[in-house]
Amino acid sequence: DQQVKQNSPSLSVQEGRISILNCDYTNSMFDYFLWYKKYPAEGPTFLISISSIKDKNEDGRFTVFLNKSAKHLSLHIVPSQPGDSAVYFCAAKRMFGNEKLTFGTGTRLTIIP
Amino acid sequence: DGGITQSPKYLFRKEGQNVTLSCEQNLNHDAMYWYRQDPGQGLRLIYYSQIVNDFQKGDIAEGYSVSREKKESFPLTVTSAQKNPTAFYLCASSIAGGGTDTQYFGPGTRLTVL
Repeated sequence: DQQVKQNSPSLSVQEGRISILNCDYTNSMFDYFLWYKKYPAEGPTFLISISSIKDKNEDGRFTVFLNKSAKHLSLHIVPSQPGDSAVYFCAAKRMFGNEKLTFGTGTRLTIIP
Repeated sequence: DGGITQSPKYLFRKEGQNVTLSCEQNLNHDAMYWYRQDPGQGLRLIYYSQIVNDFQKGDIAEGYSVSREKKESFPLTVTSAQKNPTAFYLCASSIAGGGTDTQYFGPGTRLTVL
């Protein structure tokens, strides 16, 4: 049972345009969400997070939006740069208690120069 | 330089042999984790530990074993009982393992069983 889903395995975006990566979750108990970026043969690096008390969090070129009623979150990258080409993982957990992270299957983003 | 180290980067073993993957962190984090990544799949949790001398099974613990004798170290043994051991293995750590703790990952070890 995939509780965190990233339905687009890949996405190509022109350099300078906006990249939008989507993530859906089924477990309504999840209240903390994270995005990680991963280059090939490297470990994921933390990008940005959001708790369920917010619907938006921004950090520079990266913005995460959370729609709790739709159980959907998205990561916006603007403007997209060649170094953004990587696999992006969405992850979710419950904030309270010692709950583990549940990861999505990832979306490979390719920025076209 | 604080961080998580995993060694080696690439590891080859013959079928039927046990192999131990190293993970060390100097971030003074209490919690440590082991994940496995396969092509086209997300990260799946193998084992995690929130304190020295204690650890719990994750979603896919069968065929694996761990120990946590020191705060800094969380080695993973892939035993011969693991049916599909070839994968990319990632170690992570976080401050305490709960709440809004962020997990930080090591560079990974790619294990190939021949």
